[in-house]
Amino acid sequence: DAGVTQSPTHLIKTRGQQVTLRCSPKSGHDTVSWYQQALGQGPQFIFQYYEEEERQRGNFPDRFSGHQFPNYSSELNVNALLLGDSALYLCASTKDRLNTEAFFGQGTRLTVV
Amino acid sequence: AQSVTQPDIHITVSEGASLELRCNYSYGATPYLFWYVQSPGQGLQLLLKYFSGDTLVQGIKGFEAEFKRSQSSFNLRKPSVHWSDAAEYFCAVVEDNNNDMRFGAGTRLTVKP
Repeated sequence: DAGVTQSPTHLIKTRGQQVTLRCSPKSGHDTVSWYQQALGQGPQFIFQYYEEEERQRGNFPDRFSGHQFPNYSSELNVNALLLGDSALYLCASTKDRLNTEAFFGQGTRLTVV
Repeated sequence: AQSVTQPDIHITVSEGASLELRCNYSYGATPYLFWYVQSPGQGLQLLLKYFSGDTLVQGIKGFEAEFKRSQSSFNLRKPSVHWSDAAEYFCAVVEDNNNDMRFGAGTRLTVKP
């Protein structure tokens, strides 16, 4: 079992650009959540996808959007990148919506210059 | 407002010494409680979780945590720390019927030889 896999591992983008991050959940999991972890802070919930729909959203602007595919994999899109979007983006998968046991990927380190 | 507090930003202990990492939460009802560990540049690994029942829960790597409702606390303990335990530790909380996992700011553990 490969667990939760994220790609790419590192990414450098310029302000104003758009970025897409990808996540494949652990086998048997159907729910994917995305988190932003700024340097020196705990992860912050961005949103959760279940049955290809956004089920819940944290306090993030509309520049942050996502998608879930029929195979449960997910994408996080961020438009009009700001310097403050630089962070580690973590994907977590669960086999239910209540996060009773969330498995996290290694994350994608996004740097906006 | 819902919050998770980890009062200690950084703790240093000697190898073989005991460890206690503090976590306090502010929620209306009994939430689901978690401890995660994060090594540098890595994702989060679940150490243990509490949903209900016995308030003392055992986790992986010799860790345990105790839920104290009266103190709204869920402190993490280990009787004898190993050098490989050096990492960042995060306490997290999820309310029932809520998909938003809230994390504390983390406690960085340094282990002295």
